[in-house]
Amino acid sequence: EAQVTQNPRYLITVTGKKLTVTCSQNMNHEYMSWYRQDPGLGLRQIYYSMNVEVTDKGDVPEGYKVSRKEKRNFPLILESPSPNQTSLYFCASSLVIAGGNSPLHFGNGTRLTVT
Amino acid sequence: AQKITQTQPGMFVQEKEAVTLDCTYDTSDQSYGLFWYKQPSSGEMIFLIYQGSYDEQNATEGRYSLNFQKARKSANLVISASQLGDSAMYFCAMRNSNTGKLIFGQGTTLQVKP
Repeated sequence: EAQVTQNPRYLITVTGKKLTVTCSQNMNHEYMSWYRQDPGLGLRQIYYSMNVEVTDKGDVPEGYKVSRKEKRNFPLILESPSPNQTSLYFCASSLVIAGGNSPLHFGNGTRLTVT
Repeated sequence: AQKITQTQPGMFVQEKEAVTLDCTYDTSDQSYGLFWYKQPSSGEMIFLIYQGSYDEQNATEGRYSLNFQKARKSANLVISASQLGDSAMYFCAMRNSNTGKLIFGQGTTLQVKP
């Protein structure tokens, strides 16, 4: 089944404890991206990647790191999480974005709580 | 800059009836795509339907259809024969052709009444 898989689904952690949210897609998509969703602020892009070894900042990259060593994987790293990073996180992937015509396919989301 | 506007914060529909969710957009791109996503209370973001700016026919996917009026810059989602499981938040979106970022509207909460 074609899908974007992100883990974990739920995560509660403490301030400052490094964590990684994994994301993997099996559709051979070149493009991958991370979003966070917060009430009243909608969905905001954190980072995106056009292909292997190519990553760029989105709208809210502060406090996050990403890497794209393989085409299928795009982990999101929080080196020192803080309570303002409590959010619902989505990984998404798509084919190349020529003309903006490829739909983004989302993972099931990760609900992160930082205390 | 690209912008998506959804003016209906909440909608009610009776089960088995059709409902239209409004979406207007603004872009200077000649080629673009418009998307609709469904987000149920469980939180996942589900892709529903896509309309390309050069597509001559309105997109259809099962009970979902897109009423695309390019001159009016509108891309309304029509759900036919509503089901209780259609109760969710619905987002209209388009992609930035340079960065691939999805630009979302504010969303419309749909509640289907039995």
